[in-house]
Amino acid sequence: EAEVAQSPRYKITEKSQAVAFWCDPISGHATLYWYRQILGQGPELLVQFQDESVVDDSQLPKDRFSAERLKGVDSTLKIQPAELGDSAMYLCASSPRPTSGKGTDTQYFGPGTRLTVL
Amino acid sequence: AQSVTQPDIHITVSEGASLELRCNYSYGATPYLFWYVQSPGQGLQLLLKYFSGDTLVQGIKGFEAEFKRSQSSFNLRKPSVHWSDAAEYFCAVGAVQGGKLIFGQGTELSVKP
Repeated sequence: EAEVAQSPRYKITEKSQAVAFWCDPISGHATLYWYRQILGQGPELLVQFQDESVVDDSQLPKDRFSAERLKGVDSTLKIQPAELGDSAMYLCASSPRPTSGKGTDTQYFGPGTRLTVL
Repeated sequence: AQSVTQPDIHITVSEGASLELRCNYSYGATPYLFWYVQSPGQGLQLLLKYFSGDTLVQGIKGFEAEFKRSQSSFNLRKPSVHWSDAAEYFCAVGAVQGGKLIFGQGTELSVKP
């Protein structure tokens, strides 16, 4: 069964350093999402891509976070500089291309990257 | 604005007992509803989803959920809990044409032997 791949699984960094996370969605999935999950809370969307285009980045802290999906396949999320409050699980999800009238397509999640900022 | 409320932060049930996890949503149109499960340190696995049609939805691992429009609820049920069901459970609502999921805060399930 196809899965969403993420790396690294765990990352420990010091405040003010740069970090990057990678996601490879399920093959053929046009939509890719990055969520942040703070301990004890549900995931919250940071950015959504449709192919290589950003569809929603309204909750992305753009002063320090950036995301790209250059060829419309895999994606990288970067934080620079990292802050203590960025410690969280970063989850990537993908879904098939939306089909009109069919409603939200199921999002399939990767295992996540656990970030700890010291 | 869309929102999801899971009133129970933590629930403990005995193995073999029945389970019901509550979920209430707020959404201005026909909601698309999901239940996901998350084991410690892992990603989210889809248990079941409701798009339209029959309001009783069957999922994996013996779970089911019932959509009640009049109560804005989508509660998750299982007739007999197994120790391996211990995990965190998230209810989520999605938009019609794709887009982000709005998650509840989650309910942590513990199972007593």
